[in-house]
Amino acid sequence: KNEVEQSPQNLTAQEGEFITINCSYSVGISALHWLQQHPGGGIVSLFMLSSGKKKHGRLIATINIQEKHSSLHITASHPRDSAVYICAVAESGGGADGLTFGKGTHLIIQP
Amino acid sequence: DSGVTQTPKHLITATGQRVTLRCSPRSGDLSVYWYQQSLDQGLQFLIQYYNGEERAKGNILERFSAQQFPDLHSELNLSSLELGDSALYFCASSSRDRATNEKLFFGSGTQLSVL
Repeated sequence: KNEVEQSPQNLTAQEGEFITINCSYSVGISALHWLQQHPGGGIVSLFMLSSGKKKHGRLIATINIQEKHSSLHITASHPRDSAVYICAVAESGGGADGLTFGKGTHLIIQP
Repeated sequence: DSGVTQTPKHLITATGQRVTLRCSPRSGDLSVYWYQQSLDQGLQFLIQYYNGEERAKGNILERFSAQQFPDLHSELNLSSLELGDSALYFCASSSRDRATNEKLFFGSGTQLSVL
């Protein structure tokens, strides 16, 4: 079973700062998802990636398959970015297709 | 709006009872995934249905069951409820049969409180 570790667990930053959230996993995967969960509870899928880098607006996600590591970056952070960011992996080689989740990173952006 | 509809939003019940959670996927999506989110365990995959058939099973208790109907909506049945079943239950949908192929679209969740 894959172990998914996120760091930091909690992060408080000032508006405008560059934010990095990290995710490491223990077993080879076929895809990695980054999810955002706002205080109201709803979950939004930000990225799904299996290699390289993806960018959407101020969000950038990268993955290094060899190092079993992914990062989520937020440029020019804004208070509306305050949320829990969750990394989830889909294992390769068969087995359950459901995702294995990290515990999440609680991000607070102060004005 | 993700296009995935979950009902009810909140459910309060007693131990030993049985409840049914409902999920309507995005139009055209064939896969429905069910997840449980609790404070101590975080998000956990329960079960997936694809086009009416069970596709994958995760950490789903024997007291829980699910099905997907011909119109592709899905129901998660939780029986003999215990205090520890109190959690947020999400469903998600996608058009394909594997979580490796595309992003998932999540419903807003059902908050279950077992008293």
